[in-house]
Amino acid sequence: GDSVTQMEGPVTLSEEAFLTINCTYTATGYPSLFWYVQYPGEGLQLLLKATKADDKGSNKGFEATYRKETTSFHLEKGSVQVSDSAVYFCALSKKDSSYKLIFGSGTRLLVRP
Amino acid sequence: NAGVTQTPKFQVLKTGQSMTLQCAQDMNHEYMSWYRQDPGMGLRLIHYSVGAGITDQGEVPNGYNVSRSTTEDFPLRLLSAAPSQTSVYFCASSYVGGSYEQYFGPGTRLTVT
Repeated sequence: GDSVTQMEGPVTLSEEAFLTINCTYTATGYPSLFWYVQYPGEGLQLLLKATKADDKGSNKGFEATYRKETTSFHLEKGSVQVSDSAVYFCALSKKDSSYKLIFGSGTRLLVRP
Repeated sequence: NAGVTQTPKFQVLKTGQSMTLQCAQDMNHEYMSWYRQDPGMGLRLIHYSVGAGITDQGEVPNGYNVSRSTTEDFPLRLLSAAPSQTSVYFCASSYVGGSYEQYFGPGTRLTVT
């Protein structure tokens, strides 16, 4: 079945460091890909999305490119802030699966001042 | 708009008790769903609905019931609570069509003793 694999955390960075969180997927057909962020004690918020190959999603300085050839959707940010500390989830959905979201296990990011 | 709201925020149950987790949205979304979040496992889909009167099972439906009598509300019922149902529960909603990006509620933290 379809699945999403994320790098295990926690990822600990200093402020202004470069961030990469790896995400790869296994899916038939043409999934849409998402990154969600969960701040402590809160629900999930959509961070960015991409709906077809080579699309780049971007928001709040974060970017991810839908790479069909490598089945990847890695999250990047050029300069992280303490306020970016959160858990990041990669997810996919497909129209022919009733658009159910399939999540990776999440990656915790901790940014130190 | 309040978005997606969930009540209660916290709940403690004894094994065998029943309860209903409430979820409501004011965005006129056709699609609503329930997930549970457990450490290291990401979010897993329990049940979902593509419109009033229509529900279907997700990945982990056992021990839970749902119904969808209105567009706005999608309650989740625990029939006989078990310690394995200790988790954080999230409700989400989205429009039908497009990329189905989902909007999440703040969650209900349930402990079953």
